[in-house]
Amino acid sequence: GAVVSQHPSRVICKSGTSVKIECRSLDFQATTMFWYRQFPKQSLMLMATSNEGSKATYEQGVEKDKFLINHASLTLSTLTVTSAHPEDSSFYICSARGGGRADFEQYFGPGTRLTVT
Amino acid sequence: RKEVEQDPGPFNVPEGATVAFNCTYSNSASQSFFWYRQDCRKEPKLLMSVYSSGNEDGRFTAQLNRASQYISLLIRDSKLSDSATYLCVVRGNTDKLIFGTGTRLQVFP
Repeated sequence: GAVVSQHPSRVICKSGTSVKIECRSLDFQATTMFWYRQFPKQSLMLMATSNEGSKATYEQGVEKDKFLINHASLTLSTLTVTSAHPEDSSFYICSARGGGRADFEQYFGPGTRLTVT
Repeated sequence: RKEVEQDPGPFNVPEGATVAFNCTYSNSASQSFFWYRQDCRKEPKLLMSVYSSGNEDGRFTAQLNRASQYISLLIRDSKLSDSATYLCVVRGNTDKLIFGTGTRLQVFP
């Protein structure tokens, strides 16, 4: 299967600071990347969908000015959590689709656990 | 009502048991259906797609009932390594995957 990496795997930051999370497709070109958030004992919730070279499409209730998404190349998307607060502490997971694979196939990164103190 | 509903469990079963999970979805226009497996503090991994005719992959059998908007997963001869959370996932007529909250399975010796 395709490989998607995320960096960092874990980050702890102080309230008010910004954190950048990278998502890379290692062996295919990802035309579309998705960003999810998962709180404990809850389901993955889609935050936004990004296509290479265009602005991300955010889900209802997700603040685009707080969660900045950049998909500048076919192998890299970044999510920046700006002015993080403790309630932003969560498990952030990206997935990628593309490379000629079936349109339903999404390959997930290993996730980034964010803790805001 | 949630778009995808699952019994959270946990289901505690002995090795070798057969266990079944159910899932219902609310959007009748949903087009694709999947079961994912998620281990604790890890990303979800695709277990199998679910087809209208039902499909089997080794010890795993998935069924779809479009009329009842119901999906099931049957695991036969449970192994300790099957312990995980099983996520029912539905895709509508867009790119988005809608995840259920998952059903936790614990297989004991």
